[in-house]
Amino acid sequence: AQSVTQLGSHVSVSEGALVLLRCNYSSSVPPYLFWYVQYPNQGLQLLLKYTSAATLVKGINGFEAEFKKSETSFHLTKPSAHMSDAAEYFCAVTSGTASKLTFGTGTRLQVTL
Amino acid sequence: KAGVTQTPRYLIKTRGQQVTLSCSPISGHRSVSWYQQTPGQGLQFLFEYFSETQRNKGNFPGRFSGRQFSNSRSEMNVSTLELGDSALYLCASSLRLAGADTQYFGPGTRLTVL
Repeated sequence: AQSVTQLGSHVSVSEGALVLLRCNYSSSVPPYLFWYVQYPNQGLQLLLKYTSAATLVKGINGFEAEFKKSETSFHLTKPSAHMSDAAEYFCAVTSGTASKLTFGTGTRLQVTL
Repeated sequence: KAGVTQTPRYLIKTRGQQVTLSCSPISGHRSVSWYQQTPGQGLQFLFEYFSETQRNKGNFPGRFSGRQFSNSRSEMNVSTLELGDSALYLCASSLRLAGADTQYFGPGTRLTVL
C-alpha cells in the first residue's frame, strides 16, 4: 500500500518569502511522485513530477521539489512567494503500471502582503 | 489541444435518485480515472479505465459504477444517491496506463444531494 503525508494543512507566508510545503511518502516499490495545485472551483493542475530521473525536479511557476529516498520526502519549494500562489497544494504517489493516484490531505497556502 | 472536459459542471439531486456524469479525455489519451473530493475525506480514487476495461477500483460501494467507450470517453453513475455523495467528482486522463504518465484533470462536476 502507498500513502502520502502532508505536514501542515495551512501554511501562511509573506509575499516574497520562501515557500516550503512538506510531503512524505510511503511505498514498498519505487514511487512516482507528483505535486498538483488546485485553485477555487477548479480541477487539479500539475506543478511537477518525479519519475526516477533527476532527483531535483523543476516545475511550472518557479516551483521545484527534491526527491530524497533516505528521508522518503518530496518537499515543494519556491524561493519567492507571489500572491497568485495562494491555492491548495496536493502531493500524490503512484507506481508501476497503475494510474491510481494516492493523494495527501492537501496544504492550503496563504500569501500575505 | 483541448483539455479534459466534464459535463455537467453542477448538479443538484435528491436522495434516492441516480446520476450520470460524463468525461471526455484529451484527444489521444486512452486512460481515464475518476476521483471523489470531499472536505472530510479529501481526494479518493474511484476507478480507472483503459481500453474500455476497468483496470482498478477504489473502496467505494457498488452504487458507484462507470464505463468507458471505444472513443475513450467515460461515464460514471451513482445510483440511490445519499447525502454523503455530495462532492466534487474529478475525471483525469493520461496517455497510457502507466504510473509515470501525467494525469490531466478536468474542472470537475459539483454534485449536491439534498
